Amino acid sequence: TQLLEQSPQFLSIQEGENLTVYCNSSSVFSSLQWYRQEPGEGPVLLVTVVTGGEVKKLKRLTFQFGDARKDSSLHITAAQPGDTGLYLCAGATGANNLFFGTGTRLTVIP
Amino acid sequence: ETGVTQTPRHLVMGMTNKKSLKCEQHLGHNAMYWYKQSAKKPLELMFVYNFKEQTENNSVPSRFSPECPNSSHLFLHLHTLQPEDSALYLCASSLAVAPQGAPGNTIYFGEGSWLTVV
Repeated sequence: TQLLEQSPQFLSIQEGENLTVYCNSSSVFSSLQWYRQEPGEGPVLLVTVVTGGEVKKLKRLTFQFGDARKDSSLHITAAQPGDTGLYLCAGATGANNLFFGTGTRLTVIP
Repeated sequence: ETGVTQTPRHLVMGMTNKKSLKCEQHLGHNAMYWYKQSAKKPLELMFVYNFKEQTENNSVPSRFSPECPNSSHLFLHLHTLQPEDSALYLCASSLAVAPQGAPGNTIYFGEGSWLTVV
């Protein structure tokens, strides 16, 4: 089982602040995904990154895949209360395995 | 609304009860999954079905019994569970079983069934 450690585990910030969430592993992944799970809902895919060093932007969210494809980061600019939720990274290895991270629970205070 | 519907949303059951969780997907996908989400642990894959055939069982205890009558429906039958089985059970589907996590093969999750075993 590949272990993906996310940090921080919990994050509580004021609206308008910036934040970065990290996803680290000793394993190499063919692709890496980020999901957001809101209270009472299932995880929803935000982005998939496949190339080492790749950077993808989704409005105020910036995702980066590490050069060695072992780690990733999610940066949120000017956080809003609607960004509150559990952020999960998931790494894919081979054809049939997707491993989820330990999660970062974000609370944005109005 | 992700196209994956789970019922019931909440379930409380005793250790000697038999209950079932139901999942239905309206996305025309061929692969369906059961995941377990509990506090302080990563999302755990339990079972994978491809065109109604089970392709993966991640060492799940036999007190959890999946059933997939067709590619749109998935059940998880529960029998003599333990309190440590209390968790959020998530159903998911994707176009194909592999390659998981690849662009174009997005996994869509249902809202989950909260299970409490007393």
